[in-house]
Amino acid sequence: DAGVIQSPRHEVTEMGQEVTLRCKPISGHNSLFWYRQTMMRGLELLIYFNNNVPIDDSGMPEDRFSAKMPNASFSTLKIQPSEPRDSAVYFCASSLGLAGLDEQYFGPGTRLTVT
Amino acid sequence: AQTVTQSQPEMSVQEAETVTLSCTYDTSESNYYLFWYKQPPSRQMILVIRQEAYKQQNATENRFSVNFQKAAKSFSLKISDSQLGDTAMYFCAFSNFGNEKLTFGTGTRLTIIP
Repeated sequence: DAGVIQSPRHEVTEMGQEVTLRCKPISGHNSLFWYRQTMMRGLELLIYFNNNVPIDDSGMPEDRFSAKMPNASFSTLKIQPSEPRDSAVYFCASSLGLAGLDEQYFGPGTRLTVT
Repeated sequence: AQTVTQSQPEMSVQEAETVTLSCTYDTSESNYYLFWYKQPPSRQMILVIRQEAYKQQNATENRFSVNFQKAAKSFSLKISDSQLGDTAMYFCAFSNFGNEKLTFGTGTRLTIIP
């Protein structure tokens, strides 16, 4: 298996532009997670899905952020409009979804820079 | 809300030595899971070891072992015979039983010196 796939690996955009990050989870995994990593705040869970349904979005910072999972093999995280403080590494992870003990497999991350 | 604290921002140790990374957490739950993840310079997050709170026996994975003290809410990671490839950020993480949400600590940057 190729593991969790994220695209793009790097994204540089100007303030105010829309940014879409993409994730393909490991086949057969039922849960998908979006994390943000910054020096100041560390690793934060933004949202997670189970069987394509959002379970917990309490970490989504504000309405500029939205996430979708239209099917079991694809998810997007969108930021509109983007701001310089959104600059971070965004990770997608997936797991079998068996309530807590499962290993979360992380993708390589997308480094987002908003200028 | 659960919190995870890693009080050592950085550590360094000579190759082949043993190093212990500390982690404490706060929760009112009795059933939960604890994890150590490694993030090397490549940025990829990799699970190192996990522990179920209801198990008294400390988890081990080859050179990696934990010292789980439930009453003290402490979960330290011991790396024996450290290798250059162990150089990475190490994150302690917590999840409640029945809930997949992971709460991470701030990480410890470990450098193995040749």
